[in-house]
Amino acid sequence: DAGVIQSPRHEVTEMGQEVTLRCKPISGHNSLFWYRQTMMRGLELLIYFNNNVPIDDSGMPEDRFSAKMPNASFSTLKIQPSEPRDSAVYFCASSFGQGNTGELFFGEGSRLTVL
Amino acid sequence: SQELEQSPQSLIVQEGKNLTINCTSSKTLYGLYWYKQKYGEGLIFLMMLQKGGEEKSHEKITAKLDEKKQQSSLHITASQPSHAGIYLCGAAPPWTSGTYKYIFGTGTRLKVLA
Repeated sequence: DAGVIQSPRHEVTEMGQEVTLRCKPISGHNSLFWYRQTMMRGLELLIYFNNNVPIDDSGMPEDRFSAKMPNASFSTLKIQPSEPRDSAVYFCASSFGQGNTGELFFGEGSRLTVL
Repeated sequence: SQELEQSPQSLIVQEGKNLTINCTSSKTLYGLYWYKQKYGEGLIFLMMLQKGGEEKSHEKITAKLDEKKQQSSLHITASQPSHAGIYLCGAAPPWTSGTYKYIFGTGTRLKVLA
């Protein structure tokens, strides 16, 4: 079975550029999460979708960040404009169930470097 | 809101040695997940503990949940280089108090010397 698929795996960009990260959750999962991981802050929840609807976006750092889930099999996380402090590994995870319980299945992450 | 703190933050052990990682919650903990992350990769589910006193084992890794102490411990017996990585505990509603979010511990970095 295919797991959670993220792209790109690595992205290097210059400050001010737009960055789009993509995620394909596991088929049949109805919850999708975007996390950011840094050495300083560990794993932080950015946004959580349930049945394609954003339920909690309180972790989104600021207006430069936006996320969409147009259908059950695809989500994007966009940063515009990007800043060096956005450099991190961004993970997408999916799960099946009500709310945000249950085992999370993580993608391999997108490592973002903003110069 | 509830927080999970792990100790130690990092650990270096010689191959073959036993080790223990702790996850302590700031509030009552009714259940817990343990994940492992290899460097540069995503998190992989290890096990789930659903009730106080529960103990589970997977290969050489054993985890216990002590509800009264609001703590879980993960024990690795006869460590191997393949055990190296970052171990994270996690909890989600309805096991958490005061938060509806899936929360993670601060992580423990394990290095096993061959």
